Amino acid sequence: DAMVIQNPRYQVTQFGKPVTLSCSQTLNHNVMYWYQQKSSQAPKLLFHYYDKDFNNEADTPDNFQSRRPNTSFCFLDIRSPGLGDAAMYLCATSRVGQGPFEQYFGPGTRLTVT
Amino acid sequence: DAKTTQPNSMESNEEEPVHLPCNHSTISGTDYIHWYRQLPSQGPEYVIHGLTSNVNNRMASLAIAEDRKSSTLILHRATLRDAAVYYCILRGHGSSNTGKLIFGQGTTLQVKP
Repeated sequence: DAMVIQNPRYQVTQFGKPVTLSCSQTLNHNVMYWYQQKSSQAPKLLFHYYDKDFNNEADTPDNFQSRRPNTSFCFLDIRSPGLGDAAMYLCATSRVGQGPFEQYFGPGTRLTVT
Repeated sequence: DAKTTQPNSMESNEEEPVHLPCNHSTISGTDYIHWYRQLPSQGPEYVIHGLTSNVNNRMASLAIAEDRKSSTLILHRATLRDAAVYYCILRGHGSSNTGKLIFGQGTTLQVKP
């Protein structure tokens, strides 16, 4: 029944070593979002894809990139992780353009940077 | 994006109603009021949303002030499982809107047995 799947659930990477987080969805939603959530903070939107159109938030560091090869999959690439990038990364989807507009979130990937 | 203001934390007793307030004095006419909650170690989940009229669903009720500058999420009988961070978020629904959510700090609800 899983609708938004994130792999892996836990990821450990080394300082400066590129890492990719993946997200897939079975909802056929047209929009996919990536959020970063640091400890005891609210989720912060990094960017999203509306179909194939990429929309970056103004304050998202260049170190963060994303790819959406098809409707079902979306990837978050961190080119050179720093210690400050340790966080929970949440993927979400939504069908924008038709109601009721809620977002469905995955369980998140917790990234540790050593 | 219009901002919301919520109390940092609230406490409730199990099986009692809970009223979670949210102020959004700069809300625009096209903004819907959305509520999400985040249980410990999980991603956020949608609770309810509304525009002008009060709304009910299986999870909660949403009471919206007549001037729309504030709203209240109502959990009719709190259970231990309702302990979570509750986020009140304004979201446009226009054709150019991509549905993104801008989270504030939310209200941490503790439910005591």
